[in-house]
Amino acid sequence: QLVLTQSPSASASLGASVKLTCTLSSGHSVYAIAWHQQRPEKGPRFLMKLNSDGSHNKGDGIPDRFSGSSSGAERYLTISSLQSEDEADYYCQTWGTGIRVFGGGTKLTVL
Amino acid sequence: EVQLVESGGGLVQPGGSLRLSCAASGFTFNNYELNWVRQAPGKGLEWVSYISGSGSTIFYSDSVKGRFTISRDNAKNSVYLQMNSLRAEDTAVYYCARDTIVAFEDYFDYWGQGTLVTVSS
Repeated sequence: QLVLTQSPSASASLGASVKLTCTLSSGHSVYAIAWHQQRPEKGPRFLMKLNSDGSHNKGDGIPDRFSGSSSGAERYLTISSLQSEDEADYYCQTWGTGIRVFGGGTKLTVL
Repeated sequence: EVQLVESGGGLVQPGGSLRLSCAASGFTFNNYELNWVRQAPGKGLEWVSYISGSGSTIFYSDSVKGRFTISRDNAKNSVYLQMNSLRAEDTAVYYCARDTIVAFEDYFDYWGQGTLVTVSS
């Protein structure tokens, strides 16, 4: 079964960096994922598509502060030089035949 | 500029029906696959349904199969979600989301702002 696992929360200080993790279920370690950001009371926004080799394609207007990387079944989203506007929920998403799957989301708090 | 604008949400009683619409602009509509994704209050995102560019291929999540129907009108640049036999657990903000045009990849590259559906007596 295709499942994505995310930690429920993360925090980091203004100006620092943070690395969020999305873990693919067993047997699905080569799957690509997408990262989406959802600010409070807003619709989600596509950040990037991230491949198993760590290559990634970002959405329109996504700052260079956002980057992605991969290791085995783990997919990472790194945000550097944290700004207050980065405080949001972050979701990973993947797909299979006839299905699309989301992780449970990570709520990022910028201290 | 790509825009997806949902409408049709509201308050409906359990067992009732509602039809959501998503009006698209800023891209060649019939070239793109579209989805509905929902978010219950205080919860995460849940994929609901998918429709191909021609409308010939459709998928549903198990939670709505048999109750919801997705459709599209390429002449009107719109996609719809007919929701029947609504339950309290269908209460959510419903988002329209566009699939990337890249073949064999099914991630969402644009989202609407959502429309709220509340199922309550």
